[in-house]
Amino acid sequence: GDSVTQMEGPVTLSEEAFLTINCTYTATGYPSLFWYVQYPGEGLQLLLKATKADDKGSNKGFEATYRKETTSFHLEKGSVQVSDSAVYFCALSERGYQKVTFGTGTKLQVIP
Amino acid sequence: NAGVTQTPKFQVLKTGQSMTLQCAQDMNHEYMSWYRQDPGMGLRLIHYSVGAGITDQGEVPNGYNVSRSTTEDFPLRLLSAAPSQTSVYFCASSTGTGPGYTDTQYFGPGTRLTVL
Repeated sequence: GDSVTQMEGPVTLSEEAFLTINCTYTATGYPSLFWYVQYPGEGLQLLLKATKADDKGSNKGFEATYRKETTSFHLEKGSVQVSDSAVYFCALSERGYQKVTFGTGTKLQVIP
Repeated sequence: NAGVTQTPKFQVLKTGQSMTLQCAQDMNHEYMSWYRQDPGMGLRLIHYSVGAGITDQGEVPNGYNVSRSTTEDFPLRLLSAAPSQTSVYFCASSTGTGPGYTDTQYFGPGTRLTVL
């Protein structure tokens, strides 16, 4: 079945540091890939997504590129802020299906 | 648009009690789902529905029931609460596979449930 593996946290960075959160996936078809973010005490919200190979999703300074050859969708940001402190979930859904498979989440803490 | 709403925000139950977690969306979404979130395990799918009158089991359905009598509402029932059901529960919705299809999930704010 489908699965998503992402790096364990927590990740602690200083403000303005570079962020990478690794995500790899296993899927039988051609999935769409997502990063969702969960701020403290809130539900998840979509951060960015990519629907086909070599697509780059971007939002709020975050980027991730759909790499079919390495089955990866790593999240990056050039300069993190304290307000980026949250839990980040990598996820996939098979094309045409609504069910989503989530990774276990990576907690990011950014310190001033 | 209120989006996806969930009630209550917090709930404490005793073992063996039953209760219903409410979920509603005002986006006319066909697809709705329930997840539980536990430390170190991410989100696990409990039940989902592809439209009114249609429900199916997810990854961890035992101890939970759902029904979908309207497009807007998708309540989750705990039949006889157990301490293992202590968790944070999220409801989500998306458009479904019809016109205007998008695979983005919209989440409610969650219900934090403690079973003693």
